[in-house]
Amino acid sequence: GAVVSQHPSWVICKSGTSVKIECRSLDFQATTMFWYRQFPKQSLMLMATSNEGSKATYEQGVEKDKFLINHASLTLSTLTVTSAHPEDSSFYICSARLREADTQYFGPGTRLTVL
Amino acid sequence: AQSVTQLDSHVSVSEGTPVLLRCNYSSSYSPSLFWYVQHPNKGLQLLLKYTSAATLVKGINGFEAEFKKSETSFHLTKPSAHMSDAAEYFCVVRGSKYIFGTGTRLKVLA
Repeated sequence: GAVVSQHPSWVICKSGTSVKIECRSLDFQATTMFWYRQFPKQSLMLMATSNEGSKATYEQGVEKDKFLINHASLTLSTLTVTSAHPEDSSFYICSARLREADTQYFGPGTRLTVL
Repeated sequence: AQSVTQLDSHVSVSEGTPVLLRCNYSSSYSPSLFWYVQHPNKGLQLLLKYTSAATLVKGINGFEAEFKKSETSFHLTKPSAHMSDAAEYFCVVRGSKYIFGTGTRLKVLA
């Protein structure tokens, strides 16, 4: 149980285009999903917390107009990187939990490369 | 405020020898603590968690961790390393959100 998937697993795009990454909880309903960014050989950096049916809460320094997060259902959250630039290239990981006190379960990550 | 410190950025062990990955935490109340493993270009997999029940927590793949309040530690151990254990390990303390340690890269030598 507690499986989280991400799609795509990797994506290459041109500078200036937008990219959408999906995060799905496959066998449980996730009231909260989280989006993280990980730079090479570094730890995870929380970008935003997304609750189903409400606006995401962004961490300080994360541009909400650049990283659009939608959590339209209890099993799906999407992260859209708008007008991507090479510095947005990174490994993006989502996680999901059912209740506040629950463990977070992580997706396999999406490698974004912006040319 | 809560924080977590992983004391070693790199650990190398020989296959078949014990593994010790060290983690110290800071918390103003009884914490929830986790160890996750990340293989290259993969997401994080939960190894084990402590949530104020038994202080010795057994996880998957032969790993275990002991919560020691007096030492504010939650070290991860395994009696015998396997080549497949080579990965990045993260200690996490949960507050209003997850607070990650900086990670320990485990290398297993043949």
